[in-house]
Amino acid sequence: QKEVEQNSGPLSVPEGAIASLNCTYSDRGSQSFFWYRQYSGKSPELIMFIYSNGDKEDGRFTAQLNKASQYVSLLIRDSQPSDSATYLCAGSVGGYGNQFYFGTGTSLTVIP
Amino acid sequence: GAVVSQHPSRVICKSGTSVKIECRSLDFQATTMFWYRQFPKKSLMLMATSNEGSKATYEQGVEKDKFLINHASLTLSTLTVTSAHPEDSSFYICSAERRGGYEQYFGPGTRLTVT
Repeated sequence: QKEVEQNSGPLSVPEGAIASLNCTYSDRGSQSFFWYRQYSGKSPELIMFIYSNGDKEDGRFTAQLNKASQYVSLLIRDSQPSDSATYLCAGSVGGYGNQFYFGTGTSLTVIP
Repeated sequence: GAVVSQHPSRVICKSGTSVKIECRSLDFQATTMFWYRQFPKKSLMLMATSNEGSKATYEQGVEKDKFLINHASLTLSTLTVTSAHPEDSSFYICSAERRGGYEQYFGPGTRLTVT
């Protein structure tokens, strides 16, 4: 069974610091990984996706994938109070129409 | 781009009635749409996968006769909750996979309350 594990937190960081969110996955066949942000009462919003080993940067966000260790992370630089949300990690075996399997999410609070 | 809408955003219905939720991809064609439900402080639970022009694939434990899914076009999928009961009260969210891409874009969700 494909699973994604995340530390549920809550994770608290001061404003301006780097927030580090981690995720491990069980299925070595998984090829694609996605980070979503979900505010309370709202639906998830796609932040980034990563398919290849290494780092992928987009603005203040950096996703990291290590397939050998089956580990995915999301770094948020210069954290802002508006980044306070639950972050969901999702994996997929890839290809069109493939289902995502989601972690339970990590709650992040950025303290002004 | 990649905007997905859902309608209604919030609905209250009486036990025993049916409710239809629409999911539309507004600026792209969605070959596959997914339906999830989410309970408070829980993660997303996939209910079914819907491909345009074919029958939906339901996850184990999801009753296909209770949760009717129709994917009539590349931009529209509907979920009908039939004979709703209070335990069906939940946050229902659809997502759409854009043709040519692997990522899923989520609609804003529909909060269903069955009284």
